[in-house]
Amino acid sequence: DTEVTQTPKHLVMGMTNKKSLKCEQHMGHRAMYWYKQKAKKPPELMFVYSYEKLSINESVPSRFSPECPNSSLLNLHLHALQPEDSALYLCASSQVAVAGGNAETQYFGPGTRLLVL
Amino acid sequence: EDQVTQSPEALRLQEGESSSLNCSYTVSGLRGLFWYRQDPGKGPEFLFTLYSAGEEKEKERLKATLTKKESFLHITAPKPEDSATYLCAVLHASGGSYIPTFGRGTSLIVHP
Repeated sequence: DTEVTQTPKHLVMGMTNKKSLKCEQHMGHRAMYWYKQKAKKPPELMFVYSYEKLSINESVPSRFSPECPNSSLLNLHLHALQPEDSALYLCASSQVAVAGGNAETQYFGPGTRLLVL
Repeated sequence: EDQVTQSPEALRLQEGESSSLNCSYTVSGLRGLFWYRQDPGKGPEFLFTLYSAGEEKEKERLKATLTKKESFLHITAPKPEDSATYLCAVLHASGGSYIPTFGRGTSLIVHP
């Protein structure tokens, strides 16, 4: 089973709202990732968690706050977003961390389509 | 600057017309190259991982190859259901860590 699940599938929020995106995997992977993807563009790496610790933050604005409660779950807390943050947010996982480890395949979830009004 | 370039940007084929997609890279410390298929509004679906020059992998109508500077995704006798965007991603050293960099993708349309 190589399934990564994400909820919700779609989210519409105002610029003053607080919302959270959730990601879950049960493959025993110890690395999890958040990506942002705009239309007709490639995914852009946002955060990497390795063994439940944040290992990479690609200079993401503080209005995006990641959290890894345990090895199976990854959250992305959203607050005071801007319309330009509207995008497809993708979660991925791999057996081991990107940082310092062997190259490992990342398995992606279906994404959350976010619209900020 | 590390770069991953995919060509062509878009490709239209007739069903059964074989072709190849290219992913060229100029990165230091390559750890691996991934190919993904992405349908509109969905997450990328893993196809292949290649680790070293000369390596080849196959799956149904797809075959991926890797050299020191590029990778090819060969599509043999494609069907309309192969229509999708194909992404390559290169895992490479950057600032003491290893990060993936994606190309912009090739949008493939296969006409019946």
